[in-house]
Amino acid sequence: DTGVSQNPRHKITKRGQNVTFRCDPISEHNRLYWYRQTLGQGPEFLTYFQNEAQLEKSRLLSDRFSAERPKGSFSTLEIQRTEQGDSAMYLCASSFTGFGNTIYFGEGSWLTVV
Amino acid sequence: KNEVEQSPQNLTAQEGEFITINCSYSVGISALHWLQQHPGGGIVSLFMLSSGKKKHGRLIATINIQEKHSSLHITASHPRDSAVYICAALPLSGGGADGLTFGKGTHLIIQP
Repeated sequence: DTGVSQNPRHKITKRGQNVTFRCDPISEHNRLYWYRQTLGQGPEFLTYFQNEAQLEKSRLLSDRFSAERPKGSFSTLEIQRTEQGDSAMYLCASSFTGFGNTIYFGEGSWLTVV
Repeated sequence: KNEVEQSPQNLTAQEGEFITINCSYSVGISALHWLQQHPGGGIVSLFMLSSGKKKHGRLIATINIQEKHSSLHITASHPRDSAVYICAALPLSGGGADGLTFGKGTHLIIQP
């Protein structure tokens, strides 16, 4: 297994455009998480899935953001009508359910909205 | 105010020095993670601990639940240890995605 992979790694888009990021978690991990990280800050929770069910969404996740995990494997995070404030790194992580299981992070997808 | 505070924010040291990074949190927790983030963005989990001390190679993590404080130590530091070290707390109240609350990170540079 190659770990959690995310793509694209970098995306530059014009304000108002839609972007989609993909995350492939470690196989058999039933939990998948999305975080956002801006420069100089620690990651902030956006949403997470248990298998295909999206169990919680942060208030940071506005209506322009949508995440899916249709078959309980890979996940997509779409941002519609991007704004400059959306510029950040979007991190995906996965783990098995349950306390004590290590969380594995992807390399992140950098978004720059110009 | 962030519930998880790290210090120092930035640390530059010479190769071989003993490094200490501190993490304080304001809520009751069930566990605390130490993470390492390299310039490209990838994050690696170093430790998860709920009491006492853990050691892995040159890295040592300690936690004092009563004092709401954890430390990450690096012995015989090396330039390859240069990275951002992030403390993340799992509050007792739980919440989404295991409820992790992250510190802002400590940017460590080890000079040869």
